[in-house]
Amino acid sequence: GAVVSQHPSRVICKSGTSVKIECRSLDFQATTMFWYRQFPKQSLMLMATSNEGSKATYEQGVEKDKFLINHASLTLSTLTVTSAHPEDSSFYICSARDSTSGFSYNEQFFGPGTRLTVL
Amino acid sequence: GQNIDQPTEMTATEGAIVQINCTYQTSGFNGLFWYQQHAGEAPTFLSYNVLDGLEEKGRFSSFLSRSKGYSYLLLKELQMKDSASYLCAVRGVGNTPLVFGKGTRLSVIA
Repeated sequence: GAVVSQHPSRVICKSGTSVKIECRSLDFQATTMFWYRQFPKQSLMLMATSNEGSKATYEQGVEKDKFLINHASLTLSTLTVTSAHPEDSSFYICSARDSTSGFSYNEQFFGPGTRLTVL
Repeated sequence: GQNIDQPTEMTATEGAIVQINCTYQTSGFNGLFWYQQHAGEAPTFLSYNVLDGLEEKGRFSSFLSRSKGYSYLLLKELQMKDSASYLCAVRGVGNTPLVFGKGTRLSVIA
């Protein structure tokens, strides 16, 4: 199956700093990538949909100026958490869809996630 | 909008069979997925249903009834390593993302 990588896997930062998380599709092109956030013992909540070469579409309640998303190429999307605060501590997971694949159900492939802890 | 419901927690015995139910209400439907997620890890794909009926894959099977907005995941011959969260997710029409239920935490006990 297709592989999606995320970097870093874990990050600890001080309150007020910015953190960038990278999501890469390693063996396929992803015109669309999705960013999810997951709090402990809760499900994945969609934050935004990232389309290559255009602005991301944010879900209601997600601050676009706080969570900057850039999808500059068909294999890379980045999420930058600006001026992070302790309440931003969470598990961030990206997902990519291979829109050109032969998969009949156009599966979403998930990255391994990034654990962000803001002190 | 979309609403996906599944039980919060379940407990089952090693070697037994367990069925995890999922009901959904969506404005558009283009398939239902089941994922397994261990704590601190990303979800891993288990199954996909878009037509009514049962899909079997080894110890795992998934069933879908579109008219009832209902699916279940059946796990046979449970093993301790099956202790995890099981997420039901629905995909709408077009290039829309998966929407996840809250997940069912399954504990397999000896």
